[in-house]
Amino acid sequence: ETGVTQTPRHLVMGMTNKKSLKCEQHLGHNAMYWYKQSAKKPLELMFVYSLEERVENNSVPSRFSPECPNSSHLFLHLHTLQPEDSALYLCASSQDGGQDNSPLHFGNGTRLTVT
Amino acid sequence: GNSVTQMEGPVTLSEEAFLTINCTYTATGYPSLFWYVQYPGEGLQLLLKATKADDKGSNKGFEATYRKETTSFHLEKGSVQVSDSAVYFCALNYGGATNKLIFGTGTLLAVQP
Repeated sequence: ETGVTQTPRHLVMGMTNKKSLKCEQHLGHNAMYWYKQSAKKPLELMFVYSLEERVENNSVPSRFSPECPNSSHLFLHLHTLQPEDSALYLCASSQDGGQDNSPLHFGNGTRLTVT
Repeated sequence: GNSVTQMEGPVTLSEEAFLTINCTYTATGYPSLFWYVQYPGEGLQLLLKATKADDKGSNKGFEATYRKETTSFHLEKGSVQVSDSAVYFCALNYGGATNKLIFGTGTLLAVQP
């Protein structure tokens, strides 16, 4: 079983739909992240949760809403998305704090297509 | 601000060729530097890292040296294999208690038999 599991792997949704992406980590980490991967662009950090508290939000549109009910689960709720939101959404986790943060461990991503 | 610049791909090589993928960075302070690799259909995974100037990170035959004077962290491998075909991302961590990685755009490597 991989350390970070994302579901679904693929999602097609219309602009008026509401859907959620799910991420679960089995590594005992205390921080989880959502990244957006678009073609020919750097990975964009969307949200960070460290010790279940959201610590960073890089001006992501409000149509993306994260939820972190505990240190092992992370959701990204989607509503009224735009076609330009089509991308690969990657979840990651790490053990933060101390002098040397652990590397990020990524899931395989959810390929989202907005029609 | 902090940023990472990678050479554009795709990079196409024959098996056993020498690989260099350039990466330069802009950062305040002394960031940690990373190379991540993404195989088709998968998420990113850490390939190697260096946390201070002149450190050399290495893994699976890949190497990169943290060069503060040229603000670079170029990835090299002496002899690539078809299985090395993937997208390679350079990244920096601008520190603090929480990981705050800034990634480059990625470089696609295609190795032909």
